[in-house]
Amino acid sequence: EAGVTQFPSHSVIEKGQTVTLRCDPISGHDNLYWYRRVMGKEIKFLLHFVKESKQDESGMPNNRFLAERTGGTYSTLKVQPAELEDSGVYFCASSQFSGFGYEQYFGPGTRLTVT
Amino acid sequence: AQSVTQLGSHVSVSEGALVLLRCNYSSSVPPYLFWYVQYPNQGLQLLLKYTTGATLVKGINGFEAEFKKSETSFHLTKPSAHMSDAAEYFCAVSDYGQNFVFGPGTRLSVLP
Repeated sequence: EAGVTQFPSHSVIEKGQTVTLRCDPISGHDNLYWYRRVMGKEIKFLLHFVKESKQDESGMPNNRFLAERTGGTYSTLKVQPAELEDSGVYFCASSQFSGFGYEQYFGPGTRLTVT
Repeated sequence: AQSVTQLGSHVSVSEGALVLLRCNYSSSVPPYLFWYVQYPNQGLQLLLKYTTGATLVKGINGFEAEFKKSETSFHLTKPSAHMSDAAEYFCAVSDYGQNFVFGPGTRLSVLP
């Protein structure tokens, strides 16, 4: 079974440009999460989808970030326009109920560098 | 609100020595607790988790952790470190497996 995949693995863009990150969850997982780790700090929650609906987007830093999950499958996270402080590693995770709660499976992350 | 602290951003041990990585949490509900490991240029991999039941949890690669409610701790241990254990380790707390809150991470170095 394929795990969570993310594309690209690394993106370098200039301040003011737009970048779109993609996450493909494990097939059949209704829950999809985005996290971000900035400059070696804590991994911070950004938002949570249940199927195509945003369950919780309390962690989104500002309106320059837009997340979508079309048809409840893959998700995209767009940053427009990118700022220097957006640099970091963006992780995606997916989960499904297993009887003991939910276990989140993480992707390898996308390293975003804004110059 | 939930929170996690990890004592020591960087821990060094000699190969063959005991590994002890500390994690303390706060949670207003019965916590689910996790340890994840990130090897260089890889994603987060689940080492072990505590949900309910036995408080001593065994994970992959010889790691284990003990949930101590009275101490609000979930320290990670391994009796004998290997060079391959060098990585960054993250403790996390969640409510029922949703809404993860991560600690800042501890980078483990293993010296020959």
